[in-house]
Amino acid sequence: NAGVTQTPKFRILKIGQSMTLQCTQDMNHNYMYWYRQDPGMGLKLIYYSVGAGITDKGEVPNGYNVSRSTTEDFPLRLELAAPSQTSVYFCASRSAPSVYEQYFGPGTRLTVT
Amino acid sequence: AQSVTQLDSQVPVFEEAPVELRCNYSSSVSVYLFWYVQYPNQGLQLLLKYLSGSTLVESINGFEAEFNKSQTSFHLRKPSVHISDTAEYFCAVQPGGSYIPTFGRGTSLIVHP
Repeated sequence: NAGVTQTPKFRILKIGQSMTLQCTQDMNHNYMYWYRQDPGMGLKLIYYSVGAGITDKGEVPNGYNVSRSTTEDFPLRLELAAPSQTSVYFCASRSAPSVYEQYFGPGTRLTVT
Repeated sequence: AQSVTQLDSQVPVFEEAPVELRCNYSSSVSVYLFWYVQYPNQGLQLLLKYLSGSTLVESINGFEAEFNKSQTSFHLRKPSVHISDTAEYFCAVQPGGSYIPTFGRGTSLIVHP
């Protein structure tokens, strides 16, 4: 099993550009999450999904969009990149309501200049 | 809503010394508690969890944490640290029945030779 994979590992964007951060899991997990990690701030939830076709906002959703067309994939879209979106982004998944452990991907380091 | 406070942003310690990383939480409902570890340039991995039962939980690499309901704490301890324990440690809480954990800001454990 590859677990949770994320692409790209690194990306530099100019202000106003758009991009999609890819996240795929091969564990057949229903629950998927996107977090951003800023130094000294812990993890902030951007969006989450409890199954294909179902998504909901987290704590910091502004400037982002998601979709969940399949169980495996949960891409995160940045439409108009801003310097405030410079961060490390982590995707995570979890299998079932009674299983609380989250499995994290290796992260995408994004810089917006 | 729940919140998590990790009282120390950085904990330097010498190899083979004991260490305690502190975590306090607030919540109006019962919660599940977690410690995750993040090694440099990697995603988070579950270290240990408390769901119910014995209030003392242990990991396979010598860490332990004790759930103290009266003090609303879940401190992480290790009697003798190794250089390889150098990492960022995150405490997280999740109300029973919720999809979403809340993470603390993290504690950087730095083990010196």
